[in-house]
Amino acid sequence: GAVVSQHPSWVICKSGTSVKIECRSLDFQATTMFWYRQFPKQSLMLMATSNEGSKATYEQGVEKDKFLINHASLTLSTLTVTSAHPEDSSFYICSAPPTSRRWETQYFGPGTRLLVL
Amino acid sequence: SQQGEEDPQALSIQEGENATMNCSYKTSINNLQWYRQNSGRGLVHLILIRSNEREKHSGRLRVTLDTSKKSSSLLITASRAADTASYFCATAPLSSNTGKLIFGQGTTLQVKP
Repeated sequence: GAVVSQHPSWVICKSGTSVKIECRSLDFQATTMFWYRQFPKQSLMLMATSNEGSKATYEQGVEKDKFLINHASLTLSTLTVTSAHPEDSSFYICSAPPTSRRWETQYFGPGTRLLVL
Repeated sequence: SQQGEEDPQALSIQEGENATMNCSYKTSINNLQWYRQNSGRGLVHLILIRSNEREKHSGRLRVTLDTSKKSSSLLITASRAADTASYFCATAPLSSNTGKLIFGQGTTLQVKP
């Protein structure tokens, strides 16, 4: 089956630093990828839609200058948490629907756990 | 934005019993999907039901969809301890042409051996 990978799987950083998280579709192309954030014991909240070759679309309340998204190719999207603070500590998950089947099952990455000290 | 509401928020049953989880949503959808998440792990896709479908089965799973009530249910029959996890419904809004998913709040299921 289709696989989506994320790197790193976990990261610990100091407050004020920036952290980059990669999301890759390993065996299919995805013009669109999605980034979610999940706090402990809560559901997944959609942060933004990453679009290959164009700007990302952010959900209401998500700071675009803080969460920079770059969809560099048909298989790679990156999320950079800039000037991270402890409240940004969370589980970040990406997903990708195959371009030709965006209304079908999405494939989720295993998630990246971010801890900001 | 989060549009799904699920109930119950938590469910504890004995192995062998059936578990039913409900999901309600607010806007018109293309499809509704159910996912499972073990503690601290990624999501596992369980089943997808399209807006023109009313019921779907997959192994021990049975999903229903009532678009007039904007609700869905997930039934797990003959539950096992390994079914212990959080379960989320996710809807694909018709208003979006990207296929993005909006997740419900989730139901935490505990199956006691």
